[in-house]
Amino acid sequence: GAGVSQSPSNKVTEKGKDVELRCDPISGHTALYWYRQSLGQGLEFLIYFQGNSAPDKSGLPSDRFSAERTGGSVSTLTIQRTQQEDSAVYLCASSLAGLAGVGEQYFGPGTRLTVT
Amino acid sequence: GESVGLHLPTLSVQEGDNSIINCAYSNSASDYFIWYKQESGKGPQFIIDIRSNMDKRQGQRVTVLLNKTVKHLSLQIAATQPGDSAVYFCAESRMDSSYKLIFGSGTRLLVRP
Repeated sequence: GAGVSQSPSNKVTEKGKDVELRCDPISGHTALYWYRQSLGQGLEFLIYFQGNSAPDKSGLPSDRFSAERTGGSVSTLTIQRTQQEDSAVYLCASSLAGLAGVGEQYFGPGTRLTVT
Repeated sequence: GESVGLHLPTLSVQEGDNSIINCAYSNSASDYFIWYKQESGKGPQFIIDIRSNMDKRQGQRVTVLLNKTVKHLSLQIAATQPGDSAVYFCAESRMDSSYKLIFGSGTRLLVRP
């Protein structure tokens, strides 16, 4: 079956503009995660969804970042008034359950965001 | 695809040799550990995991060793193949909040033919 998909694969935007990044999880996966990966760094947790609810938003770097999930499926990560330090690869993952089997997170290919 | 981690530590091994990738974790309360493999332009892929009540776990061609005393984790890959070339990350979490993975900075493995 299809894996996690993300769009766009690459996004170049000007500083100050808003961007939306999309994640389509694996069908039937109730848990969804967003991570950020800067050059030369490991992945940084941003937010976790269980269904349409986000029990943990603690990783969002600032109030310019928000995410939503609708219908227990697609999620959108929005960055308002982008800054150059927002440049990174944004990765989405999904799993069958959020509290068990973390190793079963399946990652998408990521969206590379470049803020000029 | 894009590459990540241009300045990562790099381990270069000869095809057929064994590889050992090391990781030091930070939180003594972490009780669940995972190794991921990330190829260029792709998301991380689960390799193997281990809970803190174990010190060794084996998979197919891979072994993870956990030393809680010194907070050290290692991944051993037997008979390394060209397809093993990638960036490898360790990740830690607590079982009571296991959705929240804390990733290390990664090691690049290069396999020489």
